[in-house]
Amino acid sequence: GAGVSQSPSNKVTEKGKDVELRCDPISGHTALYWYRQSLGQGLEFLIYFQGNSAPDKSGLPSDRFSAERTGGSVSTLTIQRTQQEDSAVYLCASTPRTGAGGYTFGSGTRLTVV
Amino acid sequence: GQQLNQSPQSMFIQEGEDVSMNCTSSSIFNTWLWYKQEPGEGPVLLIALYKAGELTSNGRLTAQFGITRKDSFLNISASIPSDVGIYFCAGRVYSGGGADGLTFGKGTHLIIQP
Repeated sequence: GAGVSQSPSNKVTEKGKDVELRCDPISGHTALYWYRQSLGQGLEFLIYFQGNSAPDKSGLPSDRFSAERTGGSVSTLTIQRTQQEDSAVYLCASTPRTGAGGYTFGSGTRLTVV
Repeated sequence: GQQLNQSPQSMFIQEGEDVSMNCTSSSIFNTWLWYKQEPGEGPVLLIALYKAGELTSNGRLTAQFGITRKDSFLNISASIPSDVGIYFCAGRVYSGGGADGLTFGKGTHLIIQP
């Protein structure tokens, strides 16, 4: 596609439920990143995929968070047993390859846990 | 990990004024990037800097990669209402195949008063 597409754009969920957030990167981009942006904060790195290599999960805040990338394209970020502190905007970004200039970000998914 | 200090946290200026913001790092970066984020959108890349001392312009925006490689600034000349938004600096240390997540500052919220 022309840009990075994320869905849903907004998600309200009850505490304790699981949620899945989807990211469609720009076609042909091999590197994909997930970031979390809490209110008034910068962007917190979560996880990074490069091609078919094992992902760098070093930024995931707890084992309730996981992500996968199927076929080197679409990625899904899953949060299990959501907590109120998980409320944030989750941003996905892609680049043609690792180290290639700046990222192209999607518009994000605003997650609200009530 | 790397820490980025971005200042000021917010700016209230009059239309037509010049704007200056900066980022300092505890580590050396080999890439500095400046992004702008508008409400409900992901950050959009404004300027990318790849060499110490580099000074790059994009319209009314000018950014520099500090000689020490630990700082960068962004200037906006003759601000206009559409400059409103949150400006983020970001730095990268490219390890040639390792984790490649950008480190982001916490942002400068630019507000323009009529």
